[in-house]
Amino acid sequence: AQSVSQHNHHVILSEAASLELGCNYSYGGTVNLFWYVQYPGQHLQLLLKYFSGDPLVKGIKGFEAEFIKSKFSFNLRKPSVQWSDTAEYFCAVILYNQGGKLIFGQGTELSVKP
Amino acid sequence: EAQVTQNPRYLITVTGKKLTVTCSQNMNHEYMSWYRQDPGLGLRQIYYSMNVEVTDKGDVPEGYKVSRKEKRNFPLILESPSPNQTSLYFCASRGTDYEQYFGPGTRLTVT
Repeated sequence: AQSVSQHNHHVILSEAASLELGCNYSYGGTVNLFWYVQYPGQHLQLLLKYFSGDPLVKGIKGFEAEFIKSKFSFNLRKPSVQWSDTAEYFCAVILYNQGGKLIFGQGTELSVKP
Repeated sequence: EAQVTQNPRYLITVTGKKLTVTCSQNMNHEYMSWYRQDPGLGLRQIYYSMNVEVTDKGDVPEGYKVSRKEKRNFPLILESPSPNQTSLYFCASRGTDYEQYFGPGTRLTVT
């Protein structure tokens, strides 16, 4: 079955540290990938998305992600995190063979210590 | 402002008492869906609707119903809620670019 795996369930960093959150998907067809962020008590917001073209995608708030097709990965990165980045992060993939259904990973909770 | 609204935001109820969570979007989107979010499980799709009068089951439809009589509204109905339906629920609508827009969430507790 198609799935999305986020390897880190909870990441704790100090401010200014670099961040990389892993995301792998199992789907052999054409993929479009997303990272969503959920700040405490809020709804999900789109951080960035990959549809085609340059595999290095830049999103809001200094985040970027790299699509590596050979590794079925779409890792999220940020060179220097801030306390305000404390949130839960979700990777998601669209399954076009299922009517465009969006499959989410389990989520990674990021805690940034000031 | 483009948005998805849900009501209520918080709900505490008892087992077996029917409830409805409303969802409305003002973006004229055809596709809408409901998710539940549980710790360690991410978001799982309950039901979705490709357009008016067309709905289908997602991954975890048991115990839920939906209806789509108008494009903008997509209510979630729990006919006989049970404690295992205690969760955080999100409604979402999707544009032609496949980006999903989420509502603010409804935190449901069933005792």
